[in-house]
Amino acid sequence: GDSVTQTEGPVTVSESESLIINCTYSATSIAYPNLFWYVRYPGEGLQLLLKVITAGQKGSSRGFEATYNKETTSFHLQKASVQESDSAVYYCALANSAGNKLTFGIGTRVLVRP
Amino acid sequence: EAGVTQSPRYAVLQEGQAVSFWCDPISGHDTLYWYQQPRDQGPQLLVYFRDEAVIDNSQLPSDRFSAVRPKGTNSTLKIQSAKQGDTATYLCASSLTLNQDTQYFGPGTRLLVL
Repeated sequence: GDSVTQTEGPVTVSESESLIINCTYSATSIAYPNLFWYVRYPGEGLQLLLKVITAGQKGSSRGFEATYNKETTSFHLQKASVQESDSAVYYCALANSAGNKLTFGIGTRVLVRP
Repeated sequence: EAGVTQSPRYAVLQEGQAVSFWCDPISGHDTLYWYQQPRDQGPQLLVYFRDEAVIDNSQLPSDRFSAVRPKGTNSTLKIQSAKQGDTATYLCASSLTLNQDTQYFGPGTRLLVL
């Protein structure tokens, strides 16, 4: 089946430092799945951060970027300079061939120190 | 536009008791999903509907779990005779159509089975 592996947390960084959360995937249902990053801020529900549907393309949102690399089957999330408000749990996910089943990674808790 | 709403937000049960979770999707979304998210894991799909029809319930533990969406709007997920292993957060999500892979999540119901 499909699977997603991502950086185990918690990841602690200081404000203004850079952040990278690694994500690799294995998709058996589709060669080039749509890829997502979801985020859950404290006290809030899971929400879409960004998605990329074309291999080789980059998605960006709220200062975060992720590039769809089909050669390495990776979709790492990066931010050059984090803020305390980026403290959250980040989930990498892929969609199956029909686009209606999401497979999530375990989530990476990020703590940003002021 | 109102988001996905769920109730209750928390539930605490003894083993063997029953519990129901309720979900109201975003208005106009025909597809509704139920996920189970154990602690420190990613969400795992249990069942999903298009309108009132179950599309896939293969991951639903059918002996104790059931889900309905009788009018194609609100949905109820029920656990009969809960077990400690059912302790998790139960998430509801909706999408505009069946093949629209952007899902919008509710805040979840946190279940603790003692």
